[in-house]
Amino acid sequence: EIVMTQSPATLSVSPGERVTLSCRASQSISNTLGWYQQKPGQAPRLLIHGASTRAAGIPPRFSGSGSGTEFTLTISSLQSEDFAVYYCQQYNNWPLTFGPGTKVEIK
Amino acid sequence: QVQLVQSGAEVKKPGASVKVSCKSSGYTFTDFYLHWVRQAPGQGLEWMGWINPKNGDTKYVQKFQGRVTMTTDTSISTAYMELSRLRSDDTAIYYCARVPARVVATVFNHWGQGTLVSVSS
Repeated sequence: EIVMTQSPATLSVSPGERVTLSCRASQSISNTLGWYQQKPGQAPRLLIHGASTRAAGIPPRFSGSGSGTEFTLTISSLQSEDFAVYYCQQYNNWPLTFGPGTKVEIK
Repeated sequence: QVQLVQSGAEVKKPGASVKVSCKSSGYTFTDFYLHWVRQAPGQGLEWMGWINPKNGDTKYVQKFQGRVTMTTDTSISTAYMELSRLRSDDTAIYYCARVPARVVATVFNHWGQGTLVSVSS
């Protein structure tokens, strides 16, 4: 099983700041990585697939990068609606696995 | 537009079974794999398995083998996930999720609203 890790666990940020979230895979997964945003009481929302392709309707302040084992989600200027938990997910191998999440909270 | 609408919350006793439904609309039901993902209270996301609505093929995570059954009723565009021999650590929100393309392993761009299953004596 591919283990996904994310850092940091929690990030305290002010609106307007640039945010960088990290995701690491226990073995190479090429670019088969997605990022999700989840707000309390809601289902996850797909942000990024293929490590760097924004999903439909996702604003350009969200960007993804990386390949192999190291990946990054960047939010260029954090908006109030971006405070949430962010998960990465690999789809290179079975079972599909998610990272434990990074909570982005208001500073 | 694509919609996945799940059944309501359930409260079950340990050892019982639960069957969660996921009704699809806005697309051809048999064209896309459906997956099930669960989330324990305050925890992360755990993938459980998938079903191909076209032919009923399934794949389950090993830890759920023997306890989970995923089925579909194509006549009403509905998928089901049944989990048996429930334990307290099965308490979670269960989501159905659809992939964006005609491939089995990828991301999920459409999600049901989630069904809370609570297991308690």
